[in-house]
Formats: sequence, C-alpha cells, structure tokens
Amino acid sequence: KQEVTQIPAALSVPEGENLVLNCSFTDSAIYNLQWFRQDPGKGLTSLLLIQSSQREQTSGRLNASLDKSSGRSTLYIAASQPGDSATYLCAVTGGFKTIFGAGTRLFVKA
Amino acid sequence: GAGVSQSPSNKVTEKGKDVELRCDPISGHTALYWYRQRLGQGLEFLIYFQGNSAPDKSGLPSDRFSAERTGESVSTLTIQRTQQEDSAVYLCASSLLGFNEQYFGPGTRLTVT
Repeated sequence: KQEVTQIPAALSVPEGENLVLNCSFTDSAIYNLQWFRQDPGKGLTSLLLIQSSQREQTSGRLNASLDKSSGRSTLYIAASQPGDSATYLCAVTGGFKTIFGAGTRLFVKA
Repeated sequence: GAGVSQSPSNKVTEKGKDVELRCDPISGHTALYWYRQRLGQGLEFLIYFQGNSAPDKSGLPSDRFSAERTGESVSTLTIQRTQQEDSAVYLCASSLLGFNEQYFGPGTRLTVT
C-alpha cells in the first residue's frame, strides 16, 4: 500500500529565503508525481507534474525533482514571497489511485 | 475555458438522508476523480473514472457510497443514509487522459447534522 509522507509539517520563513519541501513515498512503482498548493477554504492548484521517467520540472521560481528509486521528491521555492503562503501537497499516482501526503503548511513572513 | 465545477458548493443534511453531489469536468477530459477531505486531514482518494467506467471502486469508504459517470461528462457521487462521519469537503478533479495532470474543482462542503 502506497504511503506518502511530507516533511516538515509546517514551516515559517522570512521573505526572500529559498526553501525546500520534501515528499517521500514507499512504493516506487509510480506513474507520476504532482505538487499542488491549497489555500484556506479553496480548492487545489496544480503547480508541477513529474512523469515517472523524468527527473525534474521547473516553473518560474519552482523546481520539483523526482528520485523514484529512493522514493523521494523535493519542491524547491526560490526567493519566497508572502503570496507563497499556503499548504503544499504532494500526490503520487500509481495503480489506478492517487495518494496525497498530509501537506506542508508554509508561512512566508513579510 | 471553464474549469471543473461542482454543485452544490455547500450541503447541510440530516443524518440518515441521502445526498447527491455533482461534478462537471473540463470539457474533453476523459478521466475524472473523486476525493474526500475531512476537517484538518489530508485528501482521501475515493474513485477514478476513465470514460464512464471505474476500474477500481475499492477506495469508496462503504457500500453507502456510489458514483456514476455519464459518458465523458458529468459525474455524481451519492451517499445513502448519511452519517456524521461523512461530513467533509468532497473534491472532484479531471484530467485529459487517465492520471495526467489533475485539475480540481472548488469542492462541495457536506455537513451531516
């Protein structure tokens, strides 16, 4: 059974800092991995999707990496801004299911 | 174009009543997914449709839950004889092909009193 863990559970950083969010999964037989952000009371916004054959994806200040053999993904956020404050979710897909981690709650202080 | 839409946005129902939640995927998206998010908890995968067939229904929490999809269009999630533990936000997502990038709707907040 796939299990997805995100560390840390919460993170508070000053504006401008670079930061890394971690996601680990137990079953390496995955189809893809997707990072989302969730704002309070709102739905999920897709940030990046990494296919199992890929090593990383980049979008603006965001970079996500995938090491399938070790069951790890990282989301790197450069030059963080207060608007980045949200909960970041990692979702792993395989075997007709998508399993989410519990998320990392990020607060960027102005 | 229009995103994933869900209705109603909020639903309050009495314990024991049946409820029906609706999801309209992005036009042209063949795959559709239902999730549940209880207060303060993570997303729980319920079911996935490719077209109008669901290869794996084991994620549905109990036999009180059922889901249908008409062609590659609207889907309904039905909860019979609702219980208080069914209170949650029910989220729907769609993707162009099975398990490609998923796009989420705003969710339906269900409260069972």
